[in-house]
Amino acid sequence: DVKVTQSSRYLVKRTGEKVFLECVQDMDHENMFWYRQDPGLGLRLIYFSYDVKMKEKGDIPEGYSVSREKKERFSLILESASTNQTSMYLCASSTLAGAGETQYFGPGTRLLVL
Amino acid sequence: GENVEQHPSTLSVQEGDSAVIKCTYSDSASNYFPWYKQELGKGPQLIIDIRSNVGEKKDQRIAVTLNKTAKHFSLHITETQPEDSAVYFCAASMGSARQLTFGSGTQLTVLP
Repeated sequence: DVKVTQSSRYLVKRTGEKVFLECVQDMDHENMFWYRQDPGLGLRLIYFSYDVKMKEKGDIPEGYSVSREKKERFSLILESASTNQTSMYLCASSTLAGAGETQYFGPGTRLLVL
Repeated sequence: GENVEQHPSTLSVQEGDSAVIKCTYSDSASNYFPWYKQELGKGPQLIIDIRSNVGEKKDQRIAVTLNKTAKHFSLHITETQPEDSAVYFCAASMGSARQLTFGSGTQLTVLP
């Protein structure tokens, strides 16, 4: 059974803190993605990676960075958390092929920045 | 870049009735259109998809239609059941792009 796990389901942080969100997949997928989900805005792509140490900006990369040191692990970093980064964060993975590959999602991390 | 609009944002139907969710996309180069279902407390999960060389695809009670000329596609759920209650997202992808552009989501509620 395919599995994408995220390190925390709920997280509360203070403004200015450095925040790490971890995602691990066990499907040997090349592609990994970070989205944020907000009511009425759907899923918006923050960053994605198609190989170890490779990353590409999505639609809303400002205020975020990512790290992919191993194929199975993709980390999202908030260098200095702000209240407007309070959101649900979803990680996903897919195989290498181009358009038309299923993305498998983790359960999400709900982040509250106070 | 691609822009996907989804309507309605909320939809309530009686159990056994049909539900239709519609999406439009902006980039005529898009050629892959998946639909994801997100149940409470879970991540989205693919339920059906369609490619640009096909006009309609069915899988039991769910179907998707695609009109490339008008650049819109729709999800149809027949004989709705309470377990169909969830948030549904449409998405679009083009060419060799690995990333998807998602719509804003539809909260479907099936009333018993």
